[in-house]
Amino acid sequence: GAGVSQSPRYKVAKRGQDVALRCDPISGHVSLFWYQQALGQGPEFLTYFQNEAQLDKSGLPSDRFFAERPEGSVSTLKIQRTQQEDSAVYLCASSLAGTGPRGYTNEQFFGPGTRLTVL
Amino acid sequence: GNSVTQMEGPVTLSEEAFLTINCTYTATGYPSLFWYVQYPGEGLQLLLKATKADDKGSNKGFEATYRKETTSFHLEKGSVQVSDSAVYFCALSASGSARQLTFGSGTQLTVLP
Repeated sequence: GAGVSQSPRYKVAKRGQDVALRCDPISGHVSLFWYQQALGQGPEFLTYFQNEAQLDKSGLPSDRFFAERPEGSVSTLKIQRTQQEDSAVYLCASSLAGTGPRGYTNEQFFGPGTRLTVL
Repeated sequence: GNSVTQMEGPVTLSEEAFLTINCTYTATGYPSLFWYVQYPGEGLQLLLKATKADDKGSNKGFEATYRKETTSFHLEKGSVQVSDSAVYFCALSASGSARQLTFGSGTQLTVLP
C-alpha cells in the first residue's frame, strides 16, 4: 500500500487478556518502530527493528510486551495479561534508512495507530 | 538522555494571526529536529525537519530554524488558517542514525474563523 497500515484500529480488551497489534510498513522500508501514545501526551518509543532484527527494545515497559518482525516486513506487537495502564494508542512507523552514515534520511512515516482500551 | 520540552497548550488564535510554538531540546551530539502534525482523526505527519545547525525547515507556510546555541527549534507561521487546527509535536532523533524519535508532549492549536 501507499502508507503504513495498522490493524485493528480499535481494540477493547478485558484486564488480563492478551492482545496482538499488527503493523504493515511501507514496502521496502528497512526500519520499523513501535511507539506508545498516552492520552494527551507525545508518543514514547517502545522498540525498533532493522529488517527482522530487533535492535532496540529498551522502551518496552515490562516483559508482558513482546514484538516481532520475523520476515522483515509485517510486525506484531503483543501484550500479555493486559492491564488498565496499557490503555493507549500504539503507533507504528517505518523508514527507509537503517544504520549508516549521517547522509541517510531518517524520516519516519506513521500509521494511523491502534487505540487499545483495557477495561 | 535526550528530551524535548514543548510549549504547553492549548493555543487558540484567530485566523490570519501569527503563530509561534516554542520547542527546546536536550541531546548529545547533533540531533535531527522535526515538527510533526496530527490532524483530527488522522495519523502523525511530518511537517518539516532540519538536520544541522542553522538549517531552516519549511512547509505549508510553517518554518522552524535549528538553533544550536539556544538548543531550540521554534515553529512559526505568519498567518494561520482554520485548517491548521491540529496537535503539533516537536521531536528529535539521535545524530547519524535512523533510530527512535523523542517527542515533546504536543501543543493543541485551534484557529477560529
